[in-house]
Amino acid sequence: EVQLVESGGGVVKPGGSLRLSCVASGFTFSQFAMNWVRQAPGKGLEWVSGTRASGLDTYYADSVRGRFTISRDNSKDTLYLHMNSLRVDDTAVYYCARDPFDYGGNSGYFHHWGQGSLVSVSS
Amino acid sequence: QSALTQPRSVSGSPGQSVTISCTGTSSDVGAYNYVSWYQQHPDKAPKLLIFDVHKRPSGVPDRFSGSKTGNAASLTISGLQPVDEADYYCASFAGNNNLAVFGGGTTLTVL
Repeated sequence: EVQLVESGGGVVKPGGSLRLSCVASGFTFSQFAMNWVRQAPGKGLEWVSGTRASGLDTYYADSVRGRFTISRDNSKDTLYLHMNSLRVDDTAVYYCARDPFDYGGNSGYFHHWGQGSLVSVSS
Repeated sequence: QSALTQPRSVSGSPGQSVTISCTGTSSDVGAYNYVSWYQQHPDKAPKLLIFDVHKRPSGVPDRFSGSKTGNAASLTISGLQPVDEADYYCASFAGNNNLAVFGGGTTLTVL
């Protein structure tokens, strides 16, 4: 069974930093592209960032480019999201999501999701 | 403002069919056949229902179907069931390394 477990969320002040982690199990992590998708309280979904299976290519939404960095450690089956210069409007539940296909590229689809990790940016 | 436009809410009775629209532009929905749909129940993670405009992942009932014409996509749910009551989101690839833009979401009420 595919499982994705996020951690690292919490309360942080504007301008602060946080690192989210997503530990994967139940599949060969190194064969799948991965993504972060967020959802502000009571709002819709927003794709944040993605990385190919190799980790060599990364992609970002305009709203986070230059502030967030996605990375992965395939030896630890773990995906990360390093978030710097956090703003109030970054407050959201952050989901880790796996691509459906095992060819290693990013299809732009999100087949398996974690339970989410809440990041709250407030002074 | 969301990149793709969806109605805020739709409703239907058990057994009926409903269609949820998703309007984009010639830069996203109209440019690529990479439209997907997600279902989200309250306090749950989203679930992929449709990809590549009309394909269903294994385990998704064939009551769910997708289509696209020009810059607009749609999700049709036939034989409505109470369990279908949820929020539904469309998404599309948008090029330029923008892997996905979502719609604002549609709340389906099964009367």
